[in-house]
Amino acid sequence: DAKTTQPTSMDCAEGRAANLPCNHSTISGNEYVYWYRQIHSQGPQYIIHGLKNNETNEMASLIITEDRKSSTLILPHATLRDTAVYYCIVRVGYNYGQNFVFGPGTRLSVLP
Amino acid sequence: GAVVSQHPSRVICKSGTSVKIECRSLDFQATTMFWYRQFPKQSLMLMATSNEGSKATYEQGVEKDKFLINHASLTLSTLTVTSAHPEDSSFYICSARTDRVNEKLFFGSGTQLSVL
Repeated sequence: DAKTTQPTSMDCAEGRAANLPCNHSTISGNEYVYWYRQIHSQGPQYIIHGLKNNETNEMASLIITEDRKSSTLILPHATLRDTAVYYCIVRVGYNYGQNFVFGPGTRLSVLP
Repeated sequence: GAVVSQHPSRVICKSGTSVKIECRSLDFQATTMFWYRQFPKQSLMLMATSNEGSKATYEQGVEKDKFLINHASLTLSTLTVTSAHPEDSSFYICSARTDRVNEKLFFGSGTQLSVL
């Protein structure tokens, strides 16, 4: 079973920041938070991941709460091409035997 | 980021035939590859884990004789759907893992299988 809970769907206006929440209240100390997205009829695309500290890359920012029980993915300036299903996954980063378990994700619709 | 190539992207076949799907890691060695299937409007479901040079590990409820997996090299894994039936119609996705700490999972573009 997925260890995360996310809203089923969200809307965001084009050009605005999209803030996607994820709850992972049972996360272990050695588990990372990963974010992937899946555009219709394509394979999932890696976005970002982190352990404790906030992370930023060219695609997004990841804000992890101090107790690590929740996180937020931020797309700073959403475009229509960001419309996709966003998956939040927690797993041990260096455990080669542990697979990635996908939950239902959040369906983000960026509106013009 | 690392590239995973999956082929074909779409296949239509008659019931009873077998279909092979290839998954290649193009610029890295993948000791482990995963195969997922996805039904419309549903999330990805892990079918099996494929380790180079050894037998695949199948998830509960996945028939290993129906979904043959071969991971003969560090850059290639294949999934063969044997004697396909309409209920096997689905979106199949492979993924490959790099062998590093903080490793990520990279996905192929998926194969849409339609069995008539």
